[in-house]
Order: sequence, then structure tokens, then C-alpha cells
Amino acid sequence: AQSVTQLDSQVPVFEEAPVELRCNYSSSVSVYLFWYVQYPNQGLQLLLKYLSGSTLVKGINGFEAEFNKSQTSFHLRKPSVHISDTAEYFCAVSDNNDYKLSFGAGTTVTVRA
Amino acid sequence: DSGVTQTPKHLITATGQRVTLRCSPRSGDLSVYWYQQSLDQGLQFLIQYYNGEERAKGNILERFSAQQFPDLHSELNLSSLELGDSALYFCASSSGTGLAQFFGPGTRLTVL
Repeated sequence: AQSVTQLDSQVPVFEEAPVELRCNYSSSVSVYLFWYVQYPNQGLQLLLKYLSGSTLVKGINGFEAEFNKSQTSFHLRKPSVHISDTAEYFCAVSDNNDYKLSFGAGTTVTVRA
Repeated sequence: DSGVTQTPKHLITATGQRVTLRCSPRSGDLSVYWYQQSLDQGLQFLIQYYNGEERAKGNILERFSAQQFPDLHSELNLSSLELGDSALYFCASSSGTGLAQFFGPGTRLTVL
């Protein structure tokens, strides 16, 4: 079974500043990793995914994440945030034994002017 | 717009009642997943169907059941509802197991 830990529950950040959201996972088999964003009163939107190959993954809206197998991490970064990036971000993992998504508790990002 | 549709958007009902939530996956997707999002439990996987067959089960209560029909739409049935069943219920679909899942807008269930 896999599990996900998002190390920060809330991240306040100023507009145009960089942001990093930390995610660690545990799994005994090969994993697939995802980041989703949930805007207020909306569903989850896929930001990016790691299935295999290059460990640096680029997603939508200028986000990127790096898969680090030795540290079992998949941190999400954006070099310059906008007010519109205010949302909740979820890290999720699945594996090739059990394709269900296991989600972290979420990180609320609040971008201030 | 993910291409996954869910109805209804909101549902208010009383304890002890039964409700049905409906999901239509993206065109061509064979896998449908159901998740529950609540403040105390976060996002929890309930059940997965692939091309009409149950593929995986999570922490789904015995009072809950689901099915996927030949046209690939899916329904989640919740019965003997309790206050604690109040939550957002999401459906997601993917073109196969192990691939990225695309989520619908959710159904917000309120049990009074």
C-alpha cells in the first residue's frame, strides 16, 4: 500500500515570488505520481504527472515537479506565482499493483499582492 | 472542462434515505473511479470499474454500491444515509488503469 505526506498544510506567498510544495510518498513498488489543483468550489484539475522517464516533469500553468526516487519525493515548484494560483494542491500516488489514487492531505496556497 | 460530467451538482436529503449519483466519463475512457472528499477524511478512493467490471475497492461502506453500465456511465448508490455521509463525491475517468485520471466537478451531498 502506498501513502502520501504533504509537508505543509498552508503556504502563504507574495505575487511573483517562487513557491515550492513538498510531497513525500511511501510505496514498496514502482509508482506513478501526480499533482492536482482544486480551485474553490471546483473539481480537481491535473497539473502534471510522472509515469516514467525524465525525473523533471513540466505541467500546465508554469508548474514543474521533480521525482527523486532516493528521497521518495515529488516536490512541486513554480518560479513566479499569480493571484490566480490561489487554490488547494494535492499530491497523489498510484502503483502498478493497485491503480487507485492515494492523496495527500492537501496544501492551501494563498497568493497575496 | 475535463470532459467528465456528474449529476446532480448538489443533493440535500435526510438521514435514512437513499440517493444515486451519476457519472459520465470522458469519451473513450473505460475506467471510472469514485472518490469521497470530506473535511475529516480528505480524499478517499471508494471504488473503480473498468469496462463494466469492478476492478478495485477502497474504503467503501457496505451501504454504498456502484455499477458501470454498457454505455460506460456509472452510478454510485448511497443508502441508509447518515449525517457523516455528507461530503463531496467525485467521479474520475481514465483511458486505462494506471494512467492519469480526469475528475468531474463533483456532487455535493448534504444529509440533514
